[in-house]
Amino acid sequence: NAGVTQTPKFQVLKTGQSMTLQCAQDMNHNSMYWYRQDPGMGLRLIYYSASEGTTDKGEVPNGYNVSRLNKREFSLRLESAAPSQTSVYFCASSVRGLETQYFGPGTRLLVL
Amino acid sequence: DAKTTQPNSMESNEEEPVHLPCNHSTISGTDYIHWYRQLPSQGPEYVIHGLTSNVNNRMASLAIAEDRKSSTLILHRATLRDAAVYYCILHSSNDYKLSFGAGTTVTVRA
Repeated sequence: NAGVTQTPKFQVLKTGQSMTLQCAQDMNHNSMYWYRQDPGMGLRLIYYSASEGTTDKGEVPNGYNVSRLNKREFSLRLESAAPSQTSVYFCASSVRGLETQYFGPGTRLLVL
Repeated sequence: DAKTTQPNSMESNEEEPVHLPCNHSTISGTDYIHWYRQLPSQGPEYVIHGLTSNVNNRMASLAIAEDRKSSTLILHRATLRDAAVYYCILHSSNDYKLSFGAGTTVTVRA
């Protein structure tokens, strides 16, 4: 099993550009999550999907949209990137909500 | 959200035990105590969790105070691969998010 995979690993954007971060899991998990981690800080939840077909806002959802494409895939979209969105983005999944979360390797995003 | 307090950093020698304290004086009855760690340039990794009783697994042990207001993660024999940031997190049974604080940076000396 690959676990949780994320693409791309690294991306540089200019202010105002858009992009989609991809996440997939092969563990048949029901719940998926997107977090961001700023330098020297802990992770903060952006959005989560408790089950296929549902999505909900986390702590810091502004400037982002998500799509739970199917049970395996959960994407994060930045419609108009801003320098404040420079961060490392982690996707995670769990069997169900409220249980142990398994994290991907992260996407490092730099917005100039 | 109930909060946790951890020391900013701890150092240990290789092959020695490491005791990582965590205070959570406002813990509620539905909060589980979770520990995750994050190795450099990687995503967080689950270590262990518990509710009231002490817990052991292949990675570590978790000792929970009787009043549940504090807990200690124990790495029995630290290796260089254990150098990471360790996060103590209270995970409520009615909350999907994991609230990561700053964690404790563990340095292991060879």
